[in-house]
Amino acid sequence: AQSVAQPEDQVNVAEGNPLTVKCTYSVSGNPYLFWYVQYPNRGLQFLLKYITGDNLVKGSYGFEAEFNKSQTSFHLKKPSALVSDSALYFCAVRVLTGGFKTIFGAGTRLFVKA
Amino acid sequence: GAGVSQSPRYKVAKRGQDVALRCDPISGHVSLFWYQQALGQGPEFLTYFQNEAQLDKSGLPSDRFFAERPEGSVSTLKIQRTQQEDSAVYLCASSYRGSGNTIYFGEGSWLTVV
Repeated sequence: AQSVAQPEDQVNVAEGNPLTVKCTYSVSGNPYLFWYVQYPNRGLQFLLKYITGDNLVKGSYGFEAEFNKSQTSFHLKKPSALVSDSALYFCAVRVLTGGFKTIFGAGTRLFVKA
Repeated sequence: GAGVSQSPRYKVAKRGQDVALRCDPISGHVSLFWYQQALGQGPEFLTYFQNEAQLDKSGLPSDRFFAERPEGSVSTLKIQRTQQEDSAVYLCASSYRGSGNTIYFGEGSWLTVV
């Protein structure tokens, strides 16, 4: 089955420290991978995506993600966390089914403490 | 408009009432998606349109759910005889044609069934 997993419900990090939010996937064929962020009472905002090319993808607000084919992972990273990064983060994978749809993980809540 | 627009933002319905949720996608986006998001969970795929054609409706939870996009632009998600388990945020998203394109989300319609 094609799926995406976020093994951590919550990640806590101190402001200024690096952060990592983990994501693993299971798809047939080449994966199209995405990260979105959701602030309270808001829709999802696109952060970055991997389609092809360099394994390290840079996105909005200083975030980046590393595609690792052998480990089927696409972890989200940021070198120095900000309190304003506190939000709910979703990893997603594009599934090609005649048309296409995007399957989302359950989400990881990031808390950045001052 | 500049982004995906959804209305109403908030809807309280009595159990058994029919509701209609509207989505106005980004201009020029031929692909349109509906998702259901329960509190604290990831979005769950409901259905997908390319122009006016509904290519995938595998995620619609029951025959009480119906979506249409008659002119290939605005879409309506209709829920008949609402039940308490239908309470959720309904997210609409749109993108250009092509599986590698990013989907952009609206702010969502919050449905509460009482």
